[in-house]
Amino acid sequence: GAGVSQSPSNKVTEKGKDVELRCDPISGHTALYWYRQSLGQGLEFLIYFQGNSAPDKSGLPSDRFSAERTGGSVSTLTIQRTQQEDSAVYLCASSLREGGPEQYFGPGTRLTVT
Amino acid sequence: LAKTTQPISMDSYEGQEVNITCSHNNIATNDYITWYQQFPSQGPRFIIQGYKTKVTNEVASLFIPADRKSSTLSLPRVSLSDTAVYYCLVGAMDSSYKLIFGSGTRLLVRP
Repeated sequence: GAGVSQSPSNKVTEKGKDVELRCDPISGHTALYWYRQSLGQGLEFLIYFQGNSAPDKSGLPSDRFSAERTGGSVSTLTIQRTQQEDSAVYLCASSLREGGPEQYFGPGTRLTVT
Repeated sequence: LAKTTQPISMDSYEGQEVNITCSHNNIATNDYITWYQQFPSQGPRFIIQGYKTKVTNEVASLFIPADRKSSTLSLPRVSLSDTAVYYCLVGAMDSSYKLIFGSGTRLLVRP
């Protein structure tokens, strides 16, 4: 079956612009997660959705970052007024159940802020 | 979540068995040990998970000693395509949604 998909695969934007990153989880997966990975670094947790609600937003680095999930499926991560330090690969993952450590990751969106 | 320590990098040759050890001295009673693999330009992929003793699947084996303060991921007969970064994670099953990835171990398999 289809895995987690993300779009766009690459995004180059100018400092100060807003960007939206999209994630389509595996069908039937109720839990959805956003992470980011800076060059050569491990993954940094951003936010977790169970259904349409986000019980844990603790990883969002600033109020410029927000995320929503509609219909228990697609999620959008929005970064407002992008900064150069936002440049990273943004990864989305989903899992069948809440709390399970087996998460299925998408290919990521590489964001470059110039 | 328990902190993990693993080697930064390892080199191997095709056909060899590779063992990557992870230290997690302050692992909690309800923590599980999970390993992920990440290829360049891809998201991480779940490899294996265990609680104690030995777990084996079609990809790897996971050895966990009785004190659970470390674990060893064993990859039998590696190939060039096993070149990747391997991450060891420790967390409780019911609260480990927030996966904490360290720096991982960069495995290079040479011909």
